[in-house]
Amino acid sequence: RKEVEQDPGPFNVPEGATVAFNCTYSNSASQSFFWYRQDCRKEPKLLMSVYSSGNEDGRFTAQLNRASQYISLLIRDSKLSDSATYLCVVLSGGYNKLIFGAGTRLAVHP
Amino acid sequence: ETGVTQSPTHLIKTRGQQVTLRCSSQSGHNTVSWYQQALGQGPQFIFQYYREEENGRGNFPPRFSGLQFPNYSSELNVNALELDDSALYLCASSLKREGYEQYFGPGTRLTVT
Repeated sequence: RKEVEQDPGPFNVPEGATVAFNCTYSNSASQSFFWYRQDCRKEPKLLMSVYSSGNEDGRFTAQLNRASQYISLLIRDSKLSDSATYLCVVLSGGYNKLIFGAGTRLAVHP
Repeated sequence: ETGVTQSPTHLIKTRGQQVTLRCSSQSGHNTVSWYQQALGQGPQFIFQYYREEENGRGNFPPRFSGLQFPNYSSELNVNALELDDSALYLCASSLKREGYEQYFGPGTRLTVT
């Protein structure tokens, strides 16, 4: 079983749509969780951290359910510029080892 | 831009050769981590360097080795290249060993033929 699992997609949505990505992780001792965004042939960039209380940044909302070991990302009012691969990431251990899921590809069309 | 730079941008090598990739961390960052990203996959942790010492290693064979220099820049060396080593190699720097904010460089795309 992979440590971090995501639906690979692709998700093809029209502009203005709401889209949700899900992710599960296997290590119940994991403490920190993130969503990264990666554009085609570019480096990953931190989109947002994920907290147990949930957090929101503009059109983006992240949720964490520790009991179910489940992380989600909701994007409202999708823009063409949101087209990218979204990577679910878990921080492992006592040092900076980021464990990435394989990513979910999003394509927003006019 | 993150301030993390990598060189070269692209590289083509043949099986069995050796390669060295370079990374300059963001100013003031003393920790560098290296990741391998195969096509269609998420990045996989190779190892981390903190103050010139290896501080953790992923599931990669010993032919993957690294260095960190006093100015915190880093090198990734791969010996006896295999076709499966073809990937995007990313380095990420962070301000401290246990902080989570990692800033990625643009990567080096390695093709092994």
